[in-house]
Amino acid sequence: AQTVTQSQPEMSVQEAETVTLSCTYDTSESDYYLFWYKQPPSRQMILVIRQEAYKQQNATENRFSVNFQKAAKSFSLKISDSQLGDAAMYFCAYASGTYKYIFGTGTRLKVLA
Amino acid sequence: DGGITQSPKYLFRKEGQNVTLSCEQNLNHDAMYWYRQDPGQGLRLIYYSQIVNDFQKGDIAEGYSVSREKKESFPLTVTSAQKNPTAFYLCASSKIGGAAETQYFGPGTRLLVL
Repeated sequence: AQTVTQSQPEMSVQEAETVTLSCTYDTSESDYYLFWYKQPPSRQMILVIRQEAYKQQNATENRFSVNFQKAAKSFSLKISDSQLGDAAMYFCAYASGTYKYIFGTGTRLKVLA
Repeated sequence: DGGITQSPKYLFRKEGQNVTLSCEQNLNHDAMYWYRQDPGQGLRLIYYSQIVNDFQKGDIAEGYSVSREKKESFPLTVTSAQKNPTAFYLCASSKIGGAAETQYFGPGTRLLVL
């Protein structure tokens, strides 16, 4: 069965600095998709970035980028120039097959002014 | 504005009572999903529907029921058989079913047991 592991329950970063959140996953599939979602205090899940496993190029969205290491089954999220509004829970998710997303347990990011 | 709405924001259930959580989307998406979120855990799939009048159980369907009579609506009923219903419930939708499709989430409903 596929699993997603986020080993950092909580991280802190100084405003304007860079932080990296870790995510590893286990799968025997070759075709799959990976996502990072942000859950702010409002608790609505917001898509941050997605990566297709068949693409070697790492996805980027403005200040957010990923380091996708397919052989190592690692999918970390880098947030550059951290802002106070980045404070949230961040969830890594894996998807393959017909419908199913598998979520990690989340990393709480605190941004220090 | 296109999006997903969930109501109510907070819901209180008495012992032995069935309650229904509403989820509506105007994104013209075919697929809809219900997740449960507990503290310290990721989201877990309760039910999903890829098309009107069709739905499948997810990982934790026991004690829950759903219907999909309209494309826009996917209500979730928490029955008295669900012994530990206190949680945050999130509804999501995607254009079609499938791993390649990004899921978009509603604002959630917090269910509490009195």
